[in-house]
Amino acid sequence: EAGVAQSPRYKIIEKRQSVAFWCNPISGHATLYWYQQILGQGPKLLIQFQNNGVVDDSQLPKDRFSAERLKGVDSTLKIQPAKLEDSAVYLCASSLVGARWETQYFGPGTRLLVL
Amino acid sequence: AQKITQTQPGMFVQEKEAVTLDCTYDTSDPSYGLFWYKQPSSGEMIFLIYQGSYDQQNATEGRYSLNFQKARKSANLVISASQLGDSAMYFCAMREVATSGTYKYIFGTGTRLKVLA
Repeated sequence: EAGVAQSPRYKIIEKRQSVAFWCNPISGHATLYWYQQILGQGPKLLIQFQNNGVVDDSQLPKDRFSAERLKGVDSTLKIQPAKLEDSAVYLCASSLVGARWETQYFGPGTRLLVL
Repeated sequence: AQKITQTQPGMFVQEKEAVTLDCTYDTSDPSYGLFWYKQPSSGEMIFLIYQGSYDQQNATEGRYSLNFQKARKSANLVISASQLGDSAMYFCAMREVATSGTYKYIFGTGTRLKVLA
């Protein structure tokens, strides 16, 4: 079974530029999460989807961050315009509703550096 | 207030010895789950072990066991027979039911474990 796929793995941009990250969850996983992990900290949830609907985006800085999951499968997270403090690893995770423990499975992450 | 607290920023352990990583949590929800994840330098979060709030026995998965003390609200991870490959960041996480009815995960700040040869 293929794991959670993310791209790109690394991205370097200048502040005020825009950037987009892509995530493809494990097949059949209805729930998809985007996390931001700043160096030295634990992951912080940005947005959570159930199929193609948003169930939690309370910590998403909506003035610059946006995310979509149009067909209930893959998802994109966009930052526009980027700030220096957006430098972090962006982790995507998915989980299967009703599965044992319903644990999250994470992708390899995208490391973003904003200069 | 912190919902998940990991008080050990870093730990050292000798190869083949056991090590305990501490985690305390705070919730008023009677139904919750506790997870431990390992994050090597590559960055991927790897699921290790799960403990449900209603589980009577402590969870075990191979060399990993979870010392669950509900009254103390602690969920410490015990790694037995440490290996060099265990060197990584370890995160404790709690899952609660959000107001939306779906699950919400909260992570601690992590403990960096270094296994010494």
